[in-house]
Amino acid sequence: GENVEQHPSTLSVQEGDSAVIKCTYSDSASNYFPWYKQELGKRPQLIIDIRSNVGEKKDQRIAVTLNKTAKHFSLHITETQPEDSAVYFCAASSGVWYGNKLVFGAGTILRVKS
Amino acid sequence: EPEVTQTPSHQVTQMGQEVILRCVPISNHLYFYWYRQILGQKVEFLVSFYNNEISEKSEIFDDQFSVERPDGSNFTLKIRSTKLEDSAMYFCASSGGRIDANYEQYFGPGTRLTVT
Repeated sequence: GENVEQHPSTLSVQEGDSAVIKCTYSDSASNYFPWYKQELGKRPQLIIDIRSNVGEKKDQRIAVTLNKTAKHFSLHITETQPEDSAVYFCAASSGVWYGNKLVFGAGTILRVKS
Repeated sequence: EPEVTQTPSHQVTQMGQEVILRCVPISNHLYFYWYRQILGQKVEFLVSFYNNEISEKSEIFDDQFSVERPDGSNFTLKIRSTKLEDSAMYFCASSGGRIDANYEQYFGPGTRLTVT
């Protein structure tokens, strides 16, 4: 089955700097790659996603890149702010007509120091 | 904006007891999921549900677990005889307002299950 590895496990950056989180996946059939942000005790919130027919997607300060050949995808956050501090999870799935099981990475604790 | 809701927010139960966790998915969604997250760990898939039946389940989802959509709005997870290791946050998620849009999953706030 699918396996998703995520690095680093913790990341500390200064406010205003960029943060990059990387994930690799094992199943070449995976075609959907979302990123979730989870604050302490809260639900995972979808912040950006990318499908396998696209190499890059951007939404204001966040962007995701996908390299299908190498089976890795990355989250980029620019101009980090203290409110970006949270746990970020990547996930992969091979969406099919009967459902879309998400396989999550282990998470990255992002700390933005002001 | 519509959201997935879950009740209760926290459930404490004794080992061996049955629990039912309840979820109300987003109203026009067609796909429903349960995930769990043990404290400090990653989110793990339990089961997906589509067209009134289980479409996929993980190894975690053994005979002690069952899901049901008893009416047009609720989606429930039942654990028949809880074990200490069932203690976790359980998240319901839903997706797919159309059959061809089953990708983006929206999570509920979770139910924290504590088994003593």
